[in-house]
Amino acid sequence: KAGVTQTPRYLIKTRGQQVTLSCSPISGHRSVSWYQQTPGQGLQFLFEYFSETQRNKGNFPGRFSGRQFSNSRSEMNVSTLELGDSALYLCASSPGQTGNTIYFGEGSWLTVV
Amino acid sequence: ILNVEQSPQSLHVQEGDSTNFTCSFPSSNFYALHWYRWETAKSPEALFVMTLNGDEKKKGRISATLNTKEGYSYLYIKGSQPEDSATYLCAFLHGSSNTGKLIFGQGTTLQVKP
Repeated sequence: KAGVTQTPRYLIKTRGQQVTLSCSPISGHRSVSWYQQTPGQGLQFLFEYFSETQRNKGNFPGRFSGRQFSNSRSEMNVSTLELGDSALYLCASSPGQTGNTIYFGEGSWLTVV
Repeated sequence: ILNVEQSPQSLHVQEGDSTNFTCSFPSSNFYALHWYRWETAKSPEALFVMTLNGDEKKKGRISATLNTKEGYSYLYIKGSQPEDSATYLCAFLHGSSNTGKLIFGQGTTLQVKP
């Protein structure tokens, strides 16, 4: 069974640009969540999608957005990039019920210069 | 603000030593506690999902206990091996949320010397 796949793995953007990251969950999983890790910070929850609906949202500015498609694939977008957005962005998938194990991808490393 | 604390922040042990880490979380509105192992350049690997007070889970040489009334969980590694070197994360799921909103601790980084 294929794991959670994230693309691209590495990217460099300039301040003010926008970026879109993609996540393909494990087959059959309907929940996709996104996390950010910056140096010195633990994993911070961004948002979670379940059956194409945003089910929960973390404390991030509106520049961070996401969506989920009917095949459960998800994208997150960051507009007007700032230097502080440089981070590892992790996607995770699960069947979607409480107590389910959540499986992570390897992440997308974003550097903003 | 919900906070999850892990201690120690880092740990260096010799091969064969047994070790344990602590995860502290809010004792009210508990729903689940997750443990992950995260090796460099890999994705976090799920170890345990614990939901009941008094839960004990085991996977090979790694085991975990849960006390929801006092808000802590212990992760034990028996006879540490160099391949156990990784960052161990705990994450708390709050309330009756049926979402993936995990609140993570900062992790305990374990280095096992051969």
